[in-house]
Amino acid sequence: DIVMTQSPDSLAVSLGERATIKCKSSQSLLYSSNDKNYLAWYQQKPGQPPKLLIYWASTRESGVPDRFSGSGSGTDFTLTISGLQAEDVAVYYCQQYYTTPPHTFGQGTKLEI
Amino acid sequence: QVQLVESGGGVVQPGSSLRLSCEASGFTFSRYGMHWVRQAPGKGLEWVAVIWADGSKRYYGDSVKGRFSISRDNFRGTLYLQLNNVRADDTAMYYCVKSYDDNEGFSWGQGTLVTVSS
Repeated sequence: DIVMTQSPDSLAVSLGERATIKCKSSQSLLYSSNDKNYLAWYQQKPGQPPKLLIYWASTRESGVPDRFSGSGSGTDFTLTISGLQAEDVAVYYCQQYYTTPPHTFGQGTKLEI
Repeated sequence: QVQLVESGGGVVQPGSSLRLSCEASGFTFSRYGMHWVRQAPGKGLEWVAVIWADGSKRYYGDSVKGRFSISRDNFRGTLYLQLNNVRADDTAMYYCVKSYDDNEGFSWGQGTLVTVSS
């Protein structure tokens, strides 16, 4: 199975600053035939289901503010939140969907102000 | 707009069975693979199972293999998860998830809570 490792486990960022979360996969998530990285990012707030932010590693889901961006390819990926706002406090997860089964998740990163 | 509504959760005793349902609307259900993902209280996300759009293939996570069964009814637009011989560590929120395509990512329901306790 592909192992997804996020770093850090938690971080505190000041309002208006930039937050950076890393996700590393144990094998490449880049499918050569379509040049797509099979990697998604989610935001989860207490008592709510995960909310999709990014898919194909860098495609922002409709309605997601443009301060959220995804980058990376192959085995190393980054979620960047620019201009942190109070409502961005949450746990963030990466997920690979390159292989089925399973679609493994990272362990989560807790973001605080 | 995609809507996924899970039901069937509750409190059950170890060793018993339970069936979860997920009613789908807002998309052509029969064209998409569907997943179950769970989250134990205070823990991370764990992928549980997937079923192909036509129901021809099903895969399970190691922790539920041989005990859980995923199925679907494409005429009713409903996804199921049969939980058998449940254990305390099956206690979790269970989410129904619509698979992705080239133009959109995964869509999640609100979840249904399963508590295994004697």
